[in-house]
Amino acid sequence: QLQLQESGPGLVKPSETLSLTCTVSGGSISSSSYYWGWIRQPPGKGLEWIGSIYYSGSTYYNPSLKSRVTISVDTSKNQFSLKLSSVTAADTAVYYCARRLMTRYYDFWSGYYSRRDWFDPWGQGTLVTVSS
Amino acid sequence: DIQMTQSPSSLSASVGDRVTITCQASQDISNYLNWYQQKPGKAPKLLIYDASNLETGVPSRFSGSGSGTDFTFTISSLQPEDIATYYCQQYDNLPEATFGQGTRLEIK
Repeated sequence: QLQLQESGPGLVKPSETLSLTCTVSGGSISSSSYYWGWIRQPPGKGLEWIGSIYYSGSTYYNPSLKSRVTISVDTSKNQFSLKLSSVTAADTAVYYCARRLMTRYYDFWSGYYSRRDWFDPWGQGTLVTVSS
Repeated sequence: DIQMTQSPSSLSASVGDRVTITCQASQDISNYLNWYQQKPGKAPKLLIYDASNLETGVPSRFSGSGSGTDFTFTISSLQPEDIATYYCQQYDNLPEATFGQGTRLEIK
């Protein structure tokens, strides 16, 4: 059974860089079928996609965070990581890592190309507070 | 950007009730919509993909429907363990993913 576990500091000072790692167990991060993603949730609020990475290193970022986000992968350790620079109190959130499907396929029934995408499973999440 | 609007933002219902949550997209997203359940203090869990397909292992009292801009998530008979916040997620403009603001479901 695939499991994901986030790790990293729970407290980061304003203007510094938030760094988190997600360790994948029970499966390989080098699976050709999946991407790997980061999602965050400010206290009492909704979910925000941060970015996703393929095992080859190909990345996609939320345009609203792109200038501050770097996601990387270490296939030898079965891990992927998040760095968010110049943090403020607005970056205080529970940060989740998750496996992401994100695929396009030919639908023989319709005769058109279709797509499928989901985040599953998720890690348990880690709270990162930005405060001096 | 595609915006997702869920309603209601919160809902109180009795055990056994039929519960319906809606999600409206700001533009046509075909059937590119998922539904997740997030129990208090836990990570979200995928319940429904492609607007109407039930994820393996998810009870059949959960269902989804819709296409285009208007989508519905239904619990046919509310159970105490269904207390959670429910989120829709669109994936029409991959690789971006956008979630609705969530619907908090409570037992009356």
